[in-house]
Amino acid sequence: DAGVTQSPTHLIKTRGQQVTLRCSPKSGHDTVSWYQQALGQGPQFIFQYYEEEERQRGNFPDRFSGHQFPNYSSELNVNALLLGDSALYLCASSLEGGIEAFFGQGTRLTVV
Amino acid sequence: AQSVTQLGSHVSVSEGALVLLRCNYSSSVPPYLFWYVQYPNQGLQLLLKYTTGATLVKGINGFEAEFKKSETSFHLTKPSAHMSDAAEYFCAVSVSANQAGTALIFGKGTTLSVSS
Repeated sequence: DAGVTQSPTHLIKTRGQQVTLRCSPKSGHDTVSWYQQALGQGPQFIFQYYEEEERQRGNFPDRFSGHQFPNYSSELNVNALLLGDSALYLCASSLEGGIEAFFGQGTRLTVV
Repeated sequence: AQSVTQLGSHVSVSEGALVLLRCNYSSSVPPYLFWYVQYPNQGLQLLLKYTTGATLVKGINGFEAEFKKSETSFHLTKPSAHMSDAAEYFCAVSVSANQAGTALIFGKGTTLSVSS
């Protein structure tokens, strides 16, 4: 079982650019959530996808958007990048109605 | 609204000593509670979880936590620290009892240092 996989592991972008991060959930999982973890902070919930629709959303601006594909994989898109968007972005997968969320290794985004 | 407070951003213990990491939560409904561990440059690994039933929960690597509703606490303990326990620890609460394990609210984390 490959677990939750995220790509890329690291990337550097310039202010104002757009970025796409990718996540493949654990085998059999149908729900994907995204979190932002700033340096020295706990993860903050961005949004959750189930059945290809955004089901819940945290307190993040519309610059943050996502997508879930029929195979349950997901993308996180961030437009008009700001320096403050620099963080570790974590993807977590779970079963709908399940209790436990499994996290990937994360994507480290640096905005310069 | 749910929230989590971790008391102490940094805890230092000697190898073999008791580990105690404190977590208090706020929730308007019966919570589901979790402890996660994060090693440098890695994702989060679930240590243990409380859902319903027994209030003393045992997890991996010798860790355990006790749910105390009257104190709104879920402190993490380990009787004897090992050097490999040095990491960042996060307490989290699920925001919806109907969708437990998703949409987690995390505390700010506690860094555990273990000295020989």
